[in-house]
Amino acid sequence: AQSVSQHNHHVILSEAASLELGCNYSYGGTVNLFWYVQYPGQHLQLLLKYFSGDPLVKGIKGFEAEFIKSKFSFNLRKPSVQWSDTAEYFCAVIGGATNKLIFGTGTLLAVQP
Amino acid sequence: KAGVTQTPRYLIKTRGQQVTLSCSPISGHRSVSWYQQTPGQGLQFLFEYFSETQRNKGNFPGRFSGRQFSNSRSEMNVSTLELGDSALYLCASSLKSTGLVSYEQYFGPGTRLTVT
Repeated sequence: AQSVSQHNHHVILSEAASLELGCNYSYGGTVNLFWYVQYPGQHLQLLLKYFSGDPLVKGIKGFEAEFIKSKFSFNLRKPSVQWSDTAEYFCAVIGGATNKLIFGTGTLLAVQP
Repeated sequence: KAGVTQTPRYLIKTRGQQVTLSCSPISGHRSVSWYQQTPGQGLQFLFEYFSETQRNKGNFPGRFSGRQFSNSRSEMNVSTLELGDSALYLCASSLKSTGLVSYEQYFGPGTRLTVT
């Protein structure tokens, strides 16, 4: 069965610090990978996605993620976080030809000004 | 372009009752998926509809059902409500769903269901 692991449940950073959130998935075939963000009081928004091609993908608001197939990982990075990045971040995978998103448990990021 | 809309936004029901939630996808999107979000279980896939047909189903009891109309709008129904059904129910739409390709999904604000 497909699964997604996010190892950091709660991360606290100061503004301007660098961010890396880990995401590992379990699926043997072709995958589509996503990072979604949920700001306080708002709905889930797509940050970035990987379908194929360049394994380093860039998303909105300066976020990027790298797909490492050999490690089954899709870690999210941002070189310098802002207070407005405070949110919950979800890694998700679609395995095979479906629209069934499998989500990780989420990482709560708190950025202190 | 308007986003995914869900109605109602908040709902309070009593155990044993049934409830119907509605979702209108982004114009032109033909695939609608439903997810349940709870603090304990996180985000879990309920089912997906495309062209009025259920294409995928998650691991939920038969009390959870859905349908899609010809205009792509979708409803989900939960019968015989239990306390554990209290959750945020999210609807997501995507451009299309075929046997070969997946597309990114855009989420609505959700319906917060409280069962007392």
